Amino acid sequence: RKEVEQDPGPFNVPEGATVAFNCTYSNSASQSFFWYRQDCRKEPKLLMSVYSSGNEDGRFTAQLNRASQYISLLIRDSKLSDSATYLCVVTRRSNYQLIWGAGTKLIIKP
Amino acid sequence: DADVTQTPRNRITKTGKRIMLECSQTKGHDRMYWYRQDPGLGLRLIYYSFDVKDINKGEISDGYSVSRQAQAKFSLSLESAIPNQTALYFCATSDSRQGMNTEAFFGQGTRLTVV
Repeated sequence: RKEVEQDPGPFNVPEGATVAFNCTYSNSASQSFFWYRQDCRKEPKLLMSVYSSGNEDGRFTAQLNRASQYISLLIRDSKLSDSATYLCVVTRRSNYQLIWGAGTKLIIKP
Repeated sequence: DADVTQTPRNRITKTGKRIMLECSQTKGHDRMYWYRQDPGLGLRLIYYSFDVKDINKGEISDGYSVSRQAQAKFSLSLESAIPNQTALYFCATSDSRQGMNTEAFFGQGTRLTVV
């Protein structure tokens, strides 16, 4: 079993809709959590960190559930420009090494 | 100019050739990483270095070697390239002083094709 798992998708969503996807992690000692966005053939870039109490950045909301060991990303009022692959990342408590999920592909349709 | 620079951006090489991918950064970060990305497999760690004298194997280091020439430079070598090393390669950096909130910064990637 992979340490960080994501549904690969693709999620095909109409513009303006709300979409959510989860990421599960197996190491209960994972320390911190992030969502990265990767456009086709481009480098990943940090979208947002995920805090224990949940956090919001504009149309994006991230949640952490330590008991069930998953994080989630919710995108409201989706835009065509939100089309991308979203990567879940967790860090190991021991050395802060980054462990990457394989990504969830999101396609927003007009 | 990019904070993390990879060269070359694209390369086609023949099976059996030695090739070096270079990465340099101006962010002053101590940690550097090499990843490869294949469709459907996400980012897989090849090697990482937490400082100039520290080199560690990642999950797929076979067939690769690295050199950390300076804090700002981390190169990846394929000693004898084979077709299944065809992939998109990324260099990344992070700052250990950020602790658990460390963010990874990526170069723009090197698209390597081995024929």
